[in-house]
Amino acid sequence: RKEVEQDPGPFNVPEGATVAFNCTYSNSASQSFFWYRQDCRKEPKLLMSVYSSGNEDGRFTAQLNRASQYISLLIRDSKLSDSATYLCVVWDSGGSVSFGAGTRLTVKP
Amino acid sequence: DTGVSQDPRHKITKRGQNVTFRCDPISEHNRLYWYRQTLGQGPEFLTYFQNEAQLEKSRLLSDRFSAERPKGSFSTLEIQRTEQGDSAMYLCASSYTNSQETQYFGPGTRLLVL
Repeated sequence: RKEVEQDPGPFNVPEGATVAFNCTYSNSASQSFFWYRQDCRKEPKLLMSVYSSGNEDGRFTAQLNRASQYISLLIRDSKLSDSATYLCVVWDSGGSVSFGAGTRLTVKP
Repeated sequence: DTGVSQDPRHKITKRGQNVTFRCDPISEHNRLYWYRQTLGQGPEFLTYFQNEAQLEKSRLLSDRFSAERPKGSFSTLEIQRTEQGDSAMYLCASSYTNSQETQYFGPGTRLLVL
């Protein structure tokens, strides 16, 4: 079983839609969680951290459910420019990092 | 540009040849990471340095792979006797120790082994 699993998609949504991605992790000792965005043939870029209390950054909301060992990313009012692959990243207490395979999002006019 | 830089951006080589990639991290960052990414997958951790010390190596890293960071600044990743399965994007990232999880990635080196 992979340490971090994501639905690969693709998610094809119209502009203005709300879309949500989930990511599950297997290591209960995981302690830090992030979402990165990766455009086609580009490097990953940090989108946001995920805090236990949940956090919001504009149209983006991230949440963590430790009991069920998953994190989520909600994008409201999708823009064409949101089209990308969204990578879930999990750090354990020992400093090891695992990336999910990514969820591909395409926002269409 | 004070971001992470990598060189070369693309490399085509024949099977059996050796290749070396370079990464220049953000200057204040003391942690440097190497990852490999293949199509449709997320980055896979290979190794990381804190200053000049190589602190962890993935089991994925065969003995054909070696990385160095001799002065705690730039790093090199060498692949000896390349195989077709080594074809991938090699990504470098850097961070501060106190904020190790906030990584900044370079543009990557895309390797194609023929």
